[in-house]
Amino acid sequence: NAGVTQTPKFQVLKTGQSMTLQCAQDMNHNSMYWYRQDPGMGLRLIYYSASEGTTDKGEVPNGYNVSRLNKREFSLRLESAAPSQTSVYFCASSEGFNEQFFGPGTRLTVL
Amino acid sequence: GENVEQHPSTLSVQEGDSAVIKCTYSDSASNYFPWYKQELGKRPQLIIDIRSNVGEKKDQRIAVTLNKTAKHFSLHITETQPEDSAVYFCAADFSGGYNKLIFGAGTRLAVHP
Repeated sequence: NAGVTQTPKFQVLKTGQSMTLQCAQDMNHNSMYWYRQDPGMGLRLIYYSASEGTTDKGEVPNGYNVSRLNKREFSLRLESAAPSQTSVYFCASSEGFNEQFFGPGTRLTVL
Repeated sequence: GENVEQHPSTLSVQEGDSAVIKCTYSDSASNYFPWYKQELGKRPQLIIDIRSNVGEKKDQRIAVTLNKTAKHFSLHITETQPEDSAVYFCAADFSGGYNKLIFGAGTRLAVHP
């Protein structure tokens, strides 16, 4: 079992460029999440998906879109990247009201 | 609004001492409170969690206590070891069961040999 995987591991963008962060899990979990982690601010929820076909906003959704492609995959898209989106992005999954398993993270820098 | 405050932001202890990290939350309806450990450059991993129907839970050297009336919960680590050095995050579920967590800002724990 690979658990939760994320691609890419690192990315540098210029302001205004777009990109998609990919996340996949092989634990057959229904729920998936995207977080961003900034120094001194802990983890903040961007979007989550309680089940295949559903998505909902978290604390900081502005500037992001998501797609729950199927039960395994949950992608995060930045349409027009801004320096304020420089962060480490974590994907996570869980089965219902239980432990969230995190991926290894994507370190994104927007110049 | 929904908020979790965590203290202290940094904590330094000698090996073998105890460490206590405290969190307060804003919404009395919260009923799930996990703690995550994040080593440098790694992903967060759950170390212990507690639900609102219990007041305390222990797992070897780690314990969590919950006071719903006061809206605070604490992580206790006894007999600390250098490998306990990491950032610890508390969190609370304000979504009534959808597992949408609000995290505290984290506590950087350093255990000195």
